[in-house]
Amino acid sequence: EDQVTQSPEALRLQEGESSSLNCSYTVSGLRGLFWYRQDPGKGPEFLFTLYSAGEEKEKERLKATLTKKESFLHITAPKPEDSATYLCAVQGLGAGRRALTFGSGTRLQVQP
Amino acid sequence: DAGITQSPRYKITETGRQVTLMCHQTWSHSYMFWYRQDLGHGLRLIYYSAAADITDKGEVPDGYVVSRSKTENFPLTLESATRSQTSVYFCASTDLRGRADTQYFGPGTRLTVL
Repeated sequence: EDQVTQSPEALRLQEGESSSLNCSYTVSGLRGLFWYRQDPGKGPEFLFTLYSAGEEKEKERLKATLTKKESFLHITAPKPEDSATYLCAVQGLGAGRRALTFGSGTRLQVQP
Repeated sequence: DAGITQSPRYKITETGRQVTLMCHQTWSHSYMFWYRQDLGHGLRLIYYSAAADITDKGEVPDGYVVSRSKTENFPLTLESATRSQTSVYFCASTDLRGRADTQYFGPGTRLTVL
């Protein structure tokens, strides 16, 4: 059974204070690892897909990296508008129903 | 480009009543999904559909019914609502492109069962 654990549950940063969010996963063969952003009262918004260990992707102040057991979402010099819940999800090779397995998320608050 | 829409956005009902949540997508994606989101549990799969008239259970299907007569619509019905079904419900779809299946989500329906 695929499993995803995200840490920390909540993170409070000052504007400009860089940090990382962690996503640990177990999966029987990784098809893809996904990062989503979710704002209050809205649906998850797709950010990145990572496919294999060593892969990195960037978007503005966000950079996602992947190892065989973990993924990190690095936030460089965050701004208040980066405040949101960040969700990590995996899809295993055995996911015949094409569904994703999600972690519980990290709630990020960036204070001005 | 409307993407995925859900209706209603908010619903309050009483225990024992039947409730239907609607989901409509404009991308002609073959796969559609229903998830529920609860504090401490993340997003959990309720039902999914691979195509019109093809549906199957997910992780937490009890108390829910789905149908898919048209590719673009995937309604979720709570036949007799219970308080434990109070949650936020998200519909998603995927186009099966690429090496992995990126899912795109609707805005959600917040359901309260009294």
